[in-house]
Amino acid sequence: QQQVKQSPQSLIVQKGGISIINCAYENTAFDYFPWYQQFPGKGPALLIAIRPDVSEKKEGRFTISFNKSAKQFSLHIMDSQPGDSATYFCAASKETSGSRLTFGEGTQLTVNP
Amino acid sequence: DGGITQSPKYLFRKEGQNVTLSCEQNLNHDAMYWYRQDPGQGLRLIYYSQIVNDFQKGDIAEGYSVSREKKESFPLTVTSAQKNPTAFYLCASSRGTGSSGANVLTFGAGSRLTVL
Repeated sequence: QQQVKQSPQSLIVQKGGISIINCAYENTAFDYFPWYQQFPGKGPALLIAIRPDVSEKKEGRFTISFNKSAKQFSLHIMDSQPGDSATYFCAASKETSGSRLTFGEGTQLTVNP
Repeated sequence: DGGITQSPKYLFRKEGQNVTLSCEQNLNHDAMYWYRQDPGQGLRLIYYSQIVNDFQKGDIAEGYSVSREKKESFPLTVTSAQKNPTAFYLCASSRGTGSSGANVLTFGAGSRLTVL
């Protein structure tokens, strides 16, 4: 089974700190790597996504770093805020073939005030 | 506003009963999905449908059934054969296979099923 491994399972940071969540994948054919954010009692929502033609993508305080040779990608949340407290899922797929997304196990982020 | 509506939000079931979770979308998306969410296990795909009147099993289809009679609707039935049905169920949709953004999923707010 194609897998995406995510770590850590939970993360606690102080307000203003940097939150870092890591994911590793196995299938070198994957070409689409999104991150989803989920607040308690809600469905996940797309946060940011990257394709392997770039090594980094930034949207506001959120940055994806991508290392194709290591088959790893990570989410960095700069200046973390209490409102960022949520569960974050990484995922991967081979978009061009329409394959389904494979999700990581999720990281529960808590940002303390 | 376009989106996905799941109902009910909370559902209690006695052992041995079948229950059906509703999912309706008005995004004009071709593909629809059902995921199960358990703590520490991420999102696991139950069933998906890329077109009306067609659907495929996901990774954990045993004990579940679906139908796709209309583009807008993709109900999930949790049958008595599902041994551990207590979970948070998420419905999602996306544009069809081969189109730009085919893997950009829009999720509903979820349905929490508890077996008593």
